[in-house]
Order: sequence, then structure tokens, then C-alpha cells
Amino acid sequence: EDQVTQSPEALRLQEGESSSLNCSYTVSGLRGLFWYRQDPGKGPEFLFTLYSAGEEKEKERLKATLTKKESFLHITAPKPEDSATYLCAVRGPGANSKLTFGKGITLSVRP
Amino acid sequence: DVKVTQSSRYLVKRTGEKVFLECVQDMDHENMFWYRQDPGLGLRLIYFSYDVKMKEKGDIPEGYSVSREKKERFSLILESASTNQTSMYLCATNSMAYEQYFGPGTRLTVT
Repeated sequence: EDQVTQSPEALRLQEGESSSLNCSYTVSGLRGLFWYRQDPGKGPEFLFTLYSAGEEKEKERLKATLTKKESFLHITAPKPEDSATYLCAVRGPGANSKLTFGKGITLSVRP
Repeated sequence: DVKVTQSSRYLVKRTGEKVFLECVQDMDHENMFWYRQDPGLGLRLIYFSYDVKMKEKGDIPEGYSVSREKKERFSLILESASTNQTSMYLCATNSMAYEQYFGPGTRLTVT
């Protein structure tokens, strides 16, 4: 069974204080690791897909990286508008397109 | 841009009522999903559909059923609502690259 663990559960940063969010996964044959951002009361918004160890993707202040066991979402010089819950999900082998989600990391950035 | 719409943002129902949640996507995607999201439990898959009239149980199907009569529309049905079904319900569809796109969510309260 695929498993995804995200840590820490919550993270509070000062504006400009860079940090990383962790997503550890167990899946036999990774077919994709996905990062989402979710604002309170809204649906998750897709950010990145990573497929193989060593791959990196960037968008503004966010950079996602992937190893064989975990993924990191690095946030450089965050701003208050980066405050949100960040979700990680994996897709394993098999014909269907189900994703297994972690419970998310709630990030608060203080001005 | 992929657009996923859900019939209601907020819904209040009484115990025992039959509840219909509707989801519509505009991208002609094959796969559609229904999740519920609860604090501390994350996103949990209720049902998904990979074609018209085709459905498959997710991780927590008990107390729910689904209907997909047209490709763009996927309905979640609570046959007899109970208080433990109070939750945020999220519909999603996925692209050919398997990244999922979510609707805005329906916050259902069962009293």
C-alpha cells in the first residue's frame, strides 16, 4: 500500500526566512509525485509533478526536489501570501490514476 | 485552464435526508474523483470514475454512491445523511499527465 508522510504538520516562518517542507513516501514503482497548495476553504491547486530522482521544478519562490524516498518543497524568502497548506501526493503503478495524499503541512508566514 | 465546478459551496442537511452533490468538468477528461477532507485525516478518496457509467470504490465508500451518466458530470449521493458525513467534499478530474484538478469544494453540514 502506498504511503505518504509529510512533516512537520505546521511551520511558522518570519517573512524572508527560507525553509523546506518534507514529503516521505513509500510506493513500489513511483509514477509521479505531485505538490499542491490549498488555501483555507478552497480546493487544492496543482503546483508541480516530479517523476524521477534528481528532478527539480521551480515556480517563483518554490522549488520542488525528488529523491528515491522523499521530496522537498523549498521556499526561498517567503512572503505572507505563501501562507497555505501544502499537500504532497504519489501515484504508483497500475492502470488506474489514483493518487495517495499526505495530510499536508500548514505554513504560516508572519510579516 | 481546467475548470471544475461544484453545485454548492455550502450545504446544510438534516439527518436521514438524501443528498446530491454535483460536479462538472469542462475538459473532456476521462477520470473524475470524489474526496472528503477532514482535519487531521487529510484527503480520502470516496469513489472515482474512469468512464461514463463506470465507477470504482475508493478508500471510504460506505454510506455513499455515485452516478456518471455523462462524461462531464459526476454526482456523489448520500443515501441517508448522517452527522459523521459532515465534511468538506472535493471533486477532481485528472489530465493525461495524471495531475488532478480540483473544484472549489462543498462544505456539508448534517444536523
